[in-house]
Amino acid sequence: GAGVSQSPSNKVTEKGKDVELRCDPISGHTALYWYRQRLGQGLEFLIYFQGNSAPDKSGLPSDRFSAERTGESVSTLTIQRTQQEDSAVYLCASSPTGSYNEQFFGPGTRLTVL
Amino acid sequence: QKEVEQDPGPLSVPEGAIVSLNCTYSNSAFQYFMWYRQYSRKGPELLMYTYSSGNKEDGRFTAQVDKSSKYISLFIRDSQPSDSATYLCAMRGLTGANNLFFGTGTRLTVIP
Repeated sequence: GAGVSQSPSNKVTEKGKDVELRCDPISGHTALYWYRQRLGQGLEFLIYFQGNSAPDKSGLPSDRFSAERTGESVSTLTIQRTQQEDSAVYLCASSPTGSYNEQFFGPGTRLTVL
Repeated sequence: QKEVEQDPGPLSVPEGAIVSLNCTYSNSAFQYFMWYRQYSRKGPELLMYTYSSGNKEDGRFTAQVDKSSKYISLFIRDSQPSDSATYLCAMRGLTGANNLFFGTGTRLTVIP
């Protein structure tokens, strides 16, 4: 079946612009995660959605970052007024309810802020 | 101090060698230990996970956890060029799905 998909695969933007990243999770997966992977760094948790519960936003680095998810489907991560330090690969993952250890990752969106 | 420490490598080995990848951690509350493999320009994929201390084997891969030393290992036997990837350890406590802590990853190249 189809895996997690993300779009765009690459995004180059100018400092100060807003960007929107999209994630399509595996159908039926109730949990959805966003991570940031900077060069030479481990995956950094950003936000977690579980079904219709309030999302855990504890990993968002600043108020310039926000994310939404419609039910158990598509999620968008928005970065406002991008900065050069936002340059990274943004990874989305989904998992079935209760399957916390196995997260299915998308290919990521490589964001470059000039 | 980082929650999880992992040597970034890079590590190059000849085909057929035994590979040892390791992580150390500081949080004694971690109970689940995972190894993910990430090919270039791809998302990570789960290789295997273990609960608490002990060994787990899956084909050519063996995961080992020593909670007393806060040290985990992944061994790859008879390494193949297709094993060339970045290997990330990850771990979490008993509660909190979002509390998954990743290492920085070790980049492995298996030379034919």
